[in-house]
Amino acid sequence: GAVVSQHPSRVICKSGTSVKIECRSLDFQATTMFWYRQFPKQSLMLMATSNEGSKATYEQGVEKDKFLINHASLTLSTLTVTSAHPEDSSFYICSARGGTAYNQPQHFGDGTRLSIL
Amino acid sequence: GENVEQHPSTLSVQEGDSAVIKCTYSDSASNYFPWYKQELGKRPQLIIDIRSNVGEKKDQRIAVTLNKTAKHFSLHITETQPEDSAVYFCAASQGGSEKLVFGKGTKLTVNP
Repeated sequence: GAVVSQHPSRVICKSGTSVKIECRSLDFQATTMFWYRQFPKQSLMLMATSNEGSKATYEQGVEKDKFLINHASLTLSTLTVTSAHPEDSSFYICSARGGTAYNQPQHFGDGTRLSIL
Repeated sequence: GENVEQHPSTLSVQEGDSAVIKCTYSDSASNYFPWYKQELGKRPQLIIDIRSNVGEKKDQRIAVTLNKTAKHFSLHITETQPEDSAVYFCAASQGGSEKLVFGKGTKLTVNP
């Protein structure tokens, strides 16, 4: 149980392109989804928290116009990196949590490796 | 806000030995402490978690202990196997919020 699917797994594209990443909870309803960024050999840095049907809450320093998050249903959240540049290259991972209690596990997707040329 | 410190950053043990990874947190309101295992290029996988109303939890070869007074929690892996080799992250809930704050990770290597 608690399977989270993230797609695509890898994207290579030119500078200036916008890239959309999907995160789906396959066997549970995800009240909340989280988007993280992970640099090589580093920890997970939270970018934003999204709750179904409401605007995402972004962490300090994360540009909301650059990283558009939509959580339109209880099983799907999307992250769009707009006008991507080489410095946006990174490993992006989503996680999903069911229920309303904060002390419930987050389950992670496989991640998306984004490379901007 | 919450700050999580994790030690050591690297740990090398012989197969069959035990491994211990320690984390400290700063926010006394934190009440949820999961541990994740991440193999190279793969997703972090939840291996065990503990809530603040419990002092210890065990699942086969893995155990976690929590000392709320001292604000630290530890992961214990017994009878380590080469497939335990990975990066392990501790995390703590930021008190009063749904966010997790992660430690910097420990690269565990189990030598055959």
